[in-house]
Amino acid sequence: EIVMTQSPATLSVSPGERATLSCRASQSVSGNLAWYQQKPGQAPRLLMYGASIRATGVPARFSGSGSGTEFTLTISSLQSEDFALYYCQQYDNWPPATFGQGTRLEIK
Amino acid sequence: EVQLVESGGGLVKPGGSLRLSCAASGFTFSSYTMNWVRQAPGKGLEWVSSITSSSSYTYYADSLKGRFTISRDNAKNSLHLQVNNLRAEDTAVYYCARIVPRGIFDFWGQGTLVTVSS
Repeated sequence: EIVMTQSPATLSVSPGERATLSCRASQSVSGNLAWYQQKPGQAPRLLMYGASIRATGVPARFSGSGSGTEFTLTISSLQSEDFALYYCQQYDNWPPATFGQGTRLEIK
Repeated sequence: EVQLVESGGGLVKPGGSLRLSCAASGFTFSSYTMNWVRQAPGKGLEWVSSITSSSSYTYYADSLKGRFTISRDNAKNSLHLQVNNLRAEDTAVYYCARIVPRGIFDFWGQGTLVTVSS
């Protein structure tokens, strides 16, 4: 099973600043990596897939990069609604689908 | 509009059983592989099980095999998860999620809470 590791566990950033979240796979997943956003009390929402393709309706301030084992989600100018939990997920070797443990993005 | 609405959660004693359901609408349910993903309180996401569009194949997390059974009724646009011999560690919100080819969860329901406690 491919293990996904996200860092940091918590990221404190001020509104308007840039946030960079990392995700590492225990073996190559090529570009088969998705990112999800989850707000308190809500279901996860698909943000990115194919490592860098924004899902429908996702603002352009969200961008993804990486391939193989190292991936990054960048939010260029944080808005209040962006403070949430973020999960990465590999789908190169599915099933099983495996998720990272999450990064909590909080207001500094 | 795609909608997934889970039901069937609740408080159950260790060793008990539940049948979770997910009602789907707004898309051609019979064309999609469907899934259950769970989230224990304060924890991350854990894939539980998947079933292909015509029920030809089912998949389970290794740790859950034998206790959980996924099924679907395409005529009724519904997905089910039979959960048996429940343990405290099964306490979680159980989400129904649609998957598009290659394993991307593109739509999720709001979840149903299962609490296992004596």
